[in-house]
Amino acid sequence: EIVLTQSPATLSLSPGERATLSCRASQSISNSLAWYQQRPGQAPSLLIYDASNRATGIPARFSGSGSGTDFTLTISSLEPEDFAIYYCQQCSSWPITFGQGTRLEIK
Amino acid sequence: EVQLVESGGGLVQPGGSLRLSCAASGFTFGSHAMRWVRQAPGKGLQWVSAIGTSGAPTYYADSVKGRFTVSRDNSRNTLYLQMNSLRAEDTAVYYCAKRHDSGSHDYWGQGTLVTVSS
Repeated sequence: EIVLTQSPATLSLSPGERATLSCRASQSISNSLAWYQQRPGQAPSLLIYDASNRATGIPARFSGSGSGTDFTLTISSLEPEDFAIYYCQQCSSWPITFGQGTRLEIK
Repeated sequence: EVQLVESGGGLVQPGGSLRLSCAASGFTFGSHAMRWVRQAPGKGLQWVSAIGTSGAPTYYADSVKGRFTVSRDNSRNTLYLQMNSLRAEDTAVYYCAKRHDSGSHDYWGQGTLVTVSS
């Protein structure tokens, strides 16, 4: 099973700042990585697929990068609605696995 | 508009059974693989099961293998999860999700809560 480790567990920033979230895989997954945002009380929503492609309707301030084992989600300038929990997910091999999440909170 | 609506959750005793349903609309259901993902209270996301377009292949997380069965009825645009021998650790919100071509999940339902407790 591929283990995904996200860091940091919690990130405290202010609106307008840049956020950098990390996801590390226990073995190479090429670019088979997705990022999701989950707001309180809501289902997750897809932000990024194939490591760097924005899903439909996702603002350009969200970007993804990386391949192999190290991946990054960057939010260039935080908006109030961006404060949420972010998960990475690998779809390289079964079982599908998720990272434990990074909570992005308002400083 | 793509919609996924789960139902069937509730309170069940340990060892009991429950069948979840996920009604799909707004896309060609029979052309897309589907998944179940769960989230225990206050915890992260855990993939549970997956099913191909015609009902095969099927995949399960080790934690539910032998107890849960995923199926679909393409004529009814509905996904199912039959859950038997339920345990306290199965308590979670269960989401159905549509598989994106990349292998990720591009649409999710609102979830249905399953509580396993005596």
